[in-house]
Amino acid sequence: EVVLTQSPGTLSLSPGETATLSCRASQIVSSSFLAWYQQKPGQPPRLLIYGTSSRATGIPDRFSGSGSGTDFTLTISRLEPEDFAVYYCQHYISAVFIFGPGTKVEIK
Amino acid sequence: EEQLLESGGTLVQTGGSLRLSCAASGFIFGHFAMSWVRQAPGKGLEWVSLITLSGGTTYYTDSVKGRFTISRDNSKSILYLQMNGLGVEDSAVYYCAKVLSNRFDSWGRGALVAVSS
Repeated sequence: EVVLTQSPGTLSLSPGETATLSCRASQIVSSSFLAWYQQKPGQPPRLLIYGTSSRATGIPDRFSGSGSGTDFTLTISRLEPEDFAVYYCQHYISAVFIFGPGTKVEIK
Repeated sequence: EEQLLESGGTLVQTGGSLRLSCAASGFIFGHFAMSWVRQAPGKGLEWVSLITLSGGTTYYTDSVKGRFTISRDNSKSILYLQMNGLGVEDSAVYYCAKVLSNRFDSWGRGALVAVSS
């Protein structure tokens, strides 16, 4: 069973800075099946990135994804105030969905 | 605009049962697989169950197998989750989510299920 680990647990940054979030899988996974979500307090998650690097509809280009094998990255350039939230990576295999534990991006 | 609206969340005692519903609109419900994802208070996301387009095949995370049943009514555009034998570990916000290939591209606002001993 694939386990996703996200680091760091919390990232403290200032608006305008760049956030680099890591998602590591316990075994090699298909990059086609790796997605990222953003969740703000009291709200449902929102799909940001799918297929490792494709942005979902309406997602600004300051959000980008990369990676392969076991290591994947979500990069948020030029942090805006509305970007401070929790971010989850997610993998899919054989009708099972697995989420990472999340990274909280907070205002420094 | 795609919308998913969950209902049925409430406080229930351990061992009890509950059925959640999710009313879908803004897309052709029967063309998409659907899922339930839950989030315990202050915790991360946990996928619970998946149902295929026709409802003919269902999948569950191990911790709910044999206790939860996912189903759908494509004529009414409604997704269901029947939950039996509830334990405190099942307390969570339950989200209904539309599945697009291998990801969740639309989410409801969630239904709160609280299980009390």
